Amino acid sequence: NAGVTQTPKFQVLKTGQSMTLQCAQDMNHEYMSWYRQDPGMGLRLIHYSVGAGITDQGEVPNGYNVSRSTTEDFPLRLLSAAPSQTSVYFCASKPTSGGANIQYFGAGTRLSVL
Amino acid sequence: DAKTTQPPSMDCAEGRAANLPCNHSTISGNEYVYWYRQIHSQGPQYIIHGLKNNETNEMASLIITEDRKSSTLILPHATLRDTAVYYCIVRALYNQGGKLIFGQGTELSVKP
Repeated sequence: NAGVTQTPKFQVLKTGQSMTLQCAQDMNHEYMSWYRQDPGMGLRLIHYSVGAGITDQGEVPNGYNVSRSTTEDFPLRLLSAAPSQTSVYFCASKPTSGGANIQYFGAGTRLSVL
Repeated sequence: DAKTTQPPSMDCAEGRAANLPCNHSTISGNEYVYWYRQIHSQGPQYIIHGLKNNETNEMASLIITEDRKSSTLILPHATLRDTAVYYCIVRALYNQGGKLIFGQGTELSVKP
């Protein structure tokens, strides 16, 4: 089982560049989300989606866009990268938006913005 | 959401039980206690959750006090691979956004 797959694993950007972090799950989960983790801090929710075509903001959405055109994929877009977006990004999914909060996380994307 | 308090770090000898405490004195009646862990450089991993009864699965046991104000995660026979940061999270079953609030957690070091 692949579970939650994130690509790329590592990325270095220059300030102002754009990129898309990919997240795919093969478990037919309705709910998907993006978190960022900074040194010494817990994970913070960026955006989430409760199903295809539905997205909403988390606690730190500024500078990030998302869309959910299929159940499987939930890409995170940085339109104009800033050094403050240097972080480790985790994608997660769970079967439904309700129910037990048992989420499955990807291995993460480590992003450096110079 | 109820706030949780965990010790910042703990040590445990390999093969012994690791008992990780969590205080959640403001927990509401509809809130569950979840435990996740994060091994260095990996994504968080779900361990176990419970409402008021003790729970056990293949990874761990969860003991919740009768007044539900605190809980203990027990890893019965800790191995070196259990070295990780352990997060205690309190969330209602149905909550907007499915958001998990990760605090600072407890850094467990299992030593040979």
